[in-house]
Amino acid sequence: DGGITQSPKYLFRKEGQNVTLSCEQNLNHDAMYWYRQDPGQGLRLIYYSQIVNDFQKGDIAEGYSVSREKKESFPLTVTSAQKNPTAFYLCASSIGTAGETQYFGPGTRLLVL
Amino acid sequence: GQQVMQIPQYQHVQEGEDFTTYCNSSTTLSNIQWYKQRPGGHPVFLIQLVKSGEVKKQKRLTFQFGEAKKNSSLHITATQTTDVGTYFCGEAAGNKLTFGGGTRVLVKP
Repeated sequence: DGGITQSPKYLFRKEGQNVTLSCEQNLNHDAMYWYRQDPGQGLRLIYYSQIVNDFQKGDIAEGYSVSREKKESFPLTVTSAQKNPTAFYLCASSIGTAGETQYFGPGTRLLVL
Repeated sequence: GQQVMQIPQYQHVQEGEDFTTYCNSSTTLSNIQWYKQRPGGHPVFLIQLVKSGEVKKQKRLTFQFGEAKKNSSLHITATQTTDVGTYFCGEAAGNKLTFGGGTRVLVKP
């Protein structure tokens, strides 16, 4: 089965705590993305990566960090600097970054306790 | 930066009726992609339009790219309860996809 997996499905974070969201793809895609979606809102780009060991900030990168050590993995860390982290986080991938279709994972819902 | 606006934000449709949602930009778009997100789900790619005036159909869905490539529309005929969800448009450019805010569609049986 090919696709994108995200874990966990639900994640609870305490104030001042860093948490890491997992995103894995076996589609052999070069590009990967992280989006944030607030209730009833659209998708906002946090970070994206075109190739291994390279990534760029999106529109709302503050308070987040990423790594791309392997082609199939693009984990997102929500740091304590992110003051309003409660949201639905979606990971996506595409073959390249020249306008190809993006394939989304099932998402992780992050709640702050 | 490039902004893509979608209207309406919400669309309540009686089952069986038609409706149209629009995607507008103040600048020329290189392309437009449409995605559908079911409630509680993740966005799923529907279509991509690239050429000026392009029209593509998928069963009851008709997608159109404006002649000036500054707007796009999605028209759904004979709405069904399975059409419930949020429809997003976006432009893929500069190594990323910029989404509009989406149109949330609710269907009244």
